[in-house]
Amino acid sequence: EPEVTQTPSHQVTQMGQEVILRCVPISNHLYFYWYRQILGQKVEFLVSFYNNEISEKSEIFDDQFSVERPDGSNFTLKIRSTKLEDSAMYFCASSNRFFTGRVPYEQYFGPGTRLTVT
Amino acid sequence: GEDVEQSLFLSVREGDSSVINCTYTDSSSTYLYWYKQEPGAGLQLLTYIFSNMDMKQDQRLTVLLNKKDKHLSLRIADTQTGDSAIYFCAEVWGGGADGLTFGKGTHLIIQP
Repeated sequence: EPEVTQTPSHQVTQMGQEVILRCVPISNHLYFYWYRQILGQKVEFLVSFYNNEISEKSEIFDDQFSVERPDGSNFTLKIRSTKLEDSAMYFCASSNRFFTGRVPYEQYFGPGTRLTVT
Repeated sequence: GEDVEQSLFLSVREGDSSVINCTYTDSSSTYLYWYKQEPGAGLQLLTYIFSNMDMKQDQRLTVLLNKKDKHLSLRIADTQTGDSAIYFCAEVWGGGADGLTFGKGTHLIIQP
């Protein structure tokens, strides 16, 4: 079964550094998402991306964040100058607009990248 | 704004039924989902319900939706040790680009 993959599984960085988190969505999917989960808290939506542009973003997704689909397969989240409070698990997800599977608009999640900012 | 509430912990005996509850505030939600997260793993979609449905059954899982009270529940029959995980309810208004709004998750603890 196709799956969303994310690299790296764990990233440690120093405060103020730039990080890029990478995701490979499912190949025929059209919508791409980033979510984050601070330890012990709920999963929070960051941004969605469709047709090479941001479709929707949350209040969390400020100017420090950017997303890109640099080629036909990768989807990246960049944090320009990391803060301690950016430490979290970051999940990438993808979906197909149409009901082609068992669940309408099902978002398939990757395993996550744990970002630790020191 | 949108908010989704869940109780944090539920403890049940192996073999009993588990009922995990969720309330949401956005009455325009179209789809409501239940996700499972095992330790160190990502989010696995378990089941969903469309907002014009009252109930949906899928093997050991039963989802009940009370749209008037904005209350959603997930019943797991014959709970097994492998069901031990965090269960998140999530809602979305539409499809496509809309992001999911998740609850904080309910830790399901199975007692032998």
